[in-house]
Amino acid sequence: GQQLNQSPQSMFIQEGEDVSMNCTSSSIFNTWLWYKQEPGEGPVLLIALYKAGELTSNGRLTAQFGITRKDSFLNISASIPSDVGIYFCAGQRNSGGYQKVTFGTGTKLQVIP
Amino acid sequence: DAGVIQSPRHEVTEMGQEVTLRCKPISGHDYLFWYRQTMMRGLELLIYFNNNVPIDDSGMPEDRFSAKMPNASFSTLKIQPSEPRDSAVYFCASSLFSGNQPQHFGDGTRLSIL
Repeated sequence: GQQLNQSPQSMFIQEGEDVSMNCTSSSIFNTWLWYKQEPGEGPVLLIALYKAGELTSNGRLTAQFGITRKDSFLNISASIPSDVGIYFCAGQRNSGGYQKVTFGTGTKLQVIP
Repeated sequence: DAGVIQSPRHEVTEMGQEVTLRCKPISGHDYLFWYRQTMMRGLELLIYFNNNVPIDDSGMPEDRFSAKMPNASFSTLKIQPSEPRDSAVYFCASSLFSGNQPQHFGDGTRLSIL
């Protein structure tokens, strides 16, 4: 199925560093979502963005809905070891009466203590 | 509140056997989704239901796969006969109908077909 272009694919960072990842698409979405998946678990919703240009924070996480509605980024400030996991972006748009979701390819984050 | 509950968490079986995965969505959610996750293909939508009715099953890979939702609190995904290439993590997710409500995922079933 279709997937969003998410970058980087993986990151090794030192504890305390800031992290930035982004998603781009050739399609317009009306909602952008960011999920985190830890080993053996399902994706957990971190942030939902509903309006172009919207900037939303959740603790050390900040995400923005791109003005063009074709992209979004996620920043994590002052990373800690428990930030380790795979981060997925997801775009939602109306399709056949429901919100069709397209997932990014994921960014694998590893934090070195 | 209870999240999406999937069972079993792990399933190992021999090829040719029937496999049944189960899901209990979040109470009150109108939509239920089945996904498959592999390293090669990422998260793939297999099928989704609205008010217990299958709406789009275009992601179901083959006729060996079938899904049912007999009531608002239970769904099954069945593979018969199973093949080694069906090995993956299968997720169930649910969401509310209104607006742009996001999907909430279960912890998945890790399926290994030998």
